[in-house]
Amino acid sequence: EAEVAQSPRYKITEKSQAVAFWCDPISGHATLYWYRQILGQGPELLVQFQDESVVDDSQLPKDRFSAERLKGVDSTLKIQPAELGDSAMYLCASSAGLALSYEQYFGPGTRLTVT
Amino acid sequence: DAKTTQPNSMESNEEEPVHLPCNHSTISGTDYIHWYRQLPSQGPEYVIHGLTSNVNNRMASLAIAEDRKSSTLILHRATLRDAAVYYCLLSGTYKYIFGTGTRLKVLA
Repeated sequence: EAEVAQSPRYKITEKSQAVAFWCDPISGHATLYWYRQILGQGPELLVQFQDESVVDDSQLPKDRFSAERLKGVDSTLKIQPAELGDSAMYLCASSAGLALSYEQYFGPGTRLTVT
Repeated sequence: DAKTTQPNSMESNEEEPVHLPCNHSTISGTDYIHWYRQLPSQGPEYVIHGLTSNVNNRMASLAIAEDRKSSTLILHRATLRDAAVYYCLLSGTYKYIFGTGTRLKVLA
């Protein structure tokens, strides 16, 4: 069964350092999402791509976060500089398209700890 | 953005049915109702979704109120593997809004 791949699974970084997460969606899925999940809360959407274009990045802290999906396939989420409050699980998901009925398939996530 | 309200936690005995409620009084006509669940240290997993009619799949059933302001996820026979956080959410304007979900505890 096809899965969304994410790496690394765990990352520990010091405050003010740069960190990057990678996501490979299910083959053929045009829509890709990055979420942040703080412990005890539900996932919060950071950015959504349709192919290589950003559909929604209204909740992305653009002063320190950036995301790209250059060829419309895999994607990278970067934080620079990392802050203590960025400690969270970063989840990637993909779906076949933008239609509201499509289900999202989530990857295992990257757990980030900022010290 | 449309919001949902769920109980923080519920308990069920193994092999008994579980009814997980969700209120979404601000739902709009085009919003789909989705349910996902999340096991510890994993990403959310799709369970079921619907628009107006009740839905069944291999994992669960979804009962949608006639006015669509509430819904219920039904697990017909809870197992220990069903212990998870269950999220009810609405999809509007292409995106999902997750709440804090219901933590389901299954007792052996």
